[in-house]
Amino acid sequence: QKEVEQDPGPLSVPEGAIVSLNCTYSNSAFQYFMWYRQYSRKGPELLMYTYSSGNKEDGRFTAQVDKSSKYISLFIRDSQPSDSATYLCAMGDLNRDDKIIFGKGTRLHILP
Amino acid sequence: DTEVTQTPKHLVMGMTNKKSLKCEQHMGHRAMYWYKQKAKKPPELMFVYSYEKLSINESVPSRFSPECPNSSLLNLHLHALQPEDSALYLCASSQDKGATNEKLFFGSGTQLSVL
Repeated sequence: QKEVEQDPGPLSVPEGAIVSLNCTYSNSAFQYFMWYRQYSRKGPELLMYTYSSGNKEDGRFTAQVDKSSKYISLFIRDSQPSDSATYLCAMGDLNRDDKIIFGKGTRLHILP
Repeated sequence: DTEVTQTPKHLVMGMTNKKSLKCEQHMGHRAMYWYKQKAKKPPELMFVYSYEKLSINESVPSRFSPECPNSSLLNLHLHALQPEDSALYLCASSQDKGATNEKLFFGSGTQLSVL
């Protein structure tokens, strides 16, 4: 079992829909969780950073962490064509020599 | 200024060439990173510098040689690369090394093609 599992997609949804992106993980030592957005031929951009279970909201984006289920989610409300990108989950373990583990990324297409 | 600047944006090189990738940040960050990313794959960590000292080398072949001249600059020297080294090379920085500080800021990358 891989440490971090993420469905690569592609995921196509109509404009205005709520998007749900998910990752599961196997290492219970992971303590901090991130979502990055990467446009084609660009570097990843940090969207959300959380250090505990629960929800964190920033504008149209909500990150959710459920440590008991080893499951994290990113919700995008009122999705826009400009949200079309690859979304990478990432997580870290305080005891792992500071190495962040990335998921494979989910390609998202928002259809106008 | 929250930018990490990488040059060049694109690079084509032969297997006998020597070239360098450059990265610069002016956010006062003390940790800088090199990642390699193949198409439709996540970034793979290559090197980490903390306070201008190499702290992590992920068993990268010696044909890749990192250098950190000062706290704002990071170079990656390339020599005798192979076609399979073709990838997007990403530089990143963070406030400090350490789990709770690793909010990474990435540059746009250098798209490298080795012929």
